[in-house]
Amino acid sequence: SAVISQKPSRDICQRGTSLTIQCQVDSQVTMMFWYRQQPGQSLTLIATANQGSEATYESGFVIDKFPISRPNLTFSTLTVSNMSPEDSSIYLCSADRDVGTDTQYFGPGTRLTVL
Amino acid sequence: RKEVEQDPGPFNVPEGATVAFNCTYSNSASQSFFWYRQDCRKEPKLLMSVYSSGNEDGRFTAQLNRASQYISLLIRDSKLSDSATYLCVVNPRAGNTPLVFGKGTRLSVIA
Repeated sequence: SAVISQKPSRDICQRGTSLTIQCQVDSQVTMMFWYRQQPGQSLTLIATANQGSEATYESGFVIDKFPISRPNLTFSTLTVSNMSPEDSSIYLCSADRDVGTDTQYFGPGTRLTVL
Repeated sequence: RKEVEQDPGPFNVPEGATVAFNCTYSNSASQSFFWYRQDCRKEPKLLMSVYSSGNEDGRFTAQLNRASQYISLLIRDSKLSDSATYLCVVNPRAGNTPLVFGKGTRLSVIA
């Protein structure tokens, strides 16, 4: 299975600031995804990080708020911009590590608290 | 109708019990199905894929009923370490596309 790392693992941020979360996969992958999981809720897809082109955002999520980079096949970043307390959540990246399957593996998540 | 629906539980069962979770999905064209396990404050981890013929992995058995759009997970001889949230997950399209997650079913196995 994939080894996917994220950093930071957690952060406490002030309202109005931005935080960039990094996701590193131990091998080249086609697809990388960013999810949010709010307390007591399931995972909600924010966007698909496409290598070499703009990310594809889900309804309710916009590039200005959640800019995403995917400079190569092993790395992606998600920025949470102009944060408010409602952005407090766990942010998870995932990747389709197994060639020929659609199984996704997850990074350990970034726990964000916005004051 | 939500894309993937699960009973949130919690299911509180004694050690050694057999417990079953059910899940329904709304998109009849869905291609792949999975059960993930999520421990408290951890990321989801793949428990097993679900195949049309049903599949078993030790104490865990998964079944898929495409006609009823229904997925199940059976855990036999529950262990304390099985306590977690079990997420029903569906890939609505072919290939590497975003997965759709149910809200999860919480299981507590009690000594």
